[in-house]
Amino acid sequence: EDQVTQSPEALRLQEGESSSLNCSYTVSGLRGLFWYRQDPGKGPEFLFTLYSAGEEKEKERLKATLTKKESFLHITAPKPEDSATYLCAVQAETSYDKVIFGPGTSLSVIP
Amino acid sequence: ETGVTQSPTHLIKTRGQQVTLRCSSQSGHNTVSWYQQALGQGPQFIFQYYREEENGRGNFPPRFSGLQFPNYSSELNVNALELDDSALYLCASRPGGVGFGYGYTFGSGTRLTVV
Repeated sequence: EDQVTQSPEALRLQEGESSSLNCSYTVSGLRGLFWYRQDPGKGPEFLFTLYSAGEEKEKERLKATLTKKESFLHITAPKPEDSATYLCAVQAETSYDKVIFGPGTSLSVIP
Repeated sequence: ETGVTQSPTHLIKTRGQQVTLRCSSQSGHNTVSWYQQALGQGPQFIFQYYREEENGRGNFPPRFSGLQFPNYSSELNVNALELDDSALYLCASRPGGVGFGYGYTFGSGTRLTVV
């Protein structure tokens, strides 16, 4: 069964303290892996799509990487406005529609 | 661009009742998906519509149904509401004919509480 897990469940960082969020996935052939950011009371906001192992994408202080079993979201020198829940999701090669989300990591960045 | 708008924002219903949630997709987006997000969980795929036809469905019972209209707006209908249906319902849209990796644009959701 296709599955996505994320760790840690919650992460608390001081402003400027870099760290990484983990996404582990099991899927019967990966079509793509997505990262989204979700603020309280809002819908998820698209960040990145990764397609194959070894691929990396960057956006401001965020960098996403992909291996055959995991993806990491690295946050460099975070700011309080980076506080949000970060969701990882996968789409299988056999699926043209269904995206499977993980439970998310809740990030808090303290000034 | 106006983004994805959902209505209502909050709703309280009684067990056994029926509910209709509405979504206006972003301009030019002809593919709409609906998700259910329980508190503290990631969104779960309910179904997807493309050009007014359902073209994918997750593990939800038939009492969850939908429609997409010619202007690409969409409705989610839930019959015989159960307490476990209490959740945030998210609508997401994307353009057709783009690569699959094009991310969805999500609305802010409808918070449904079943009592």
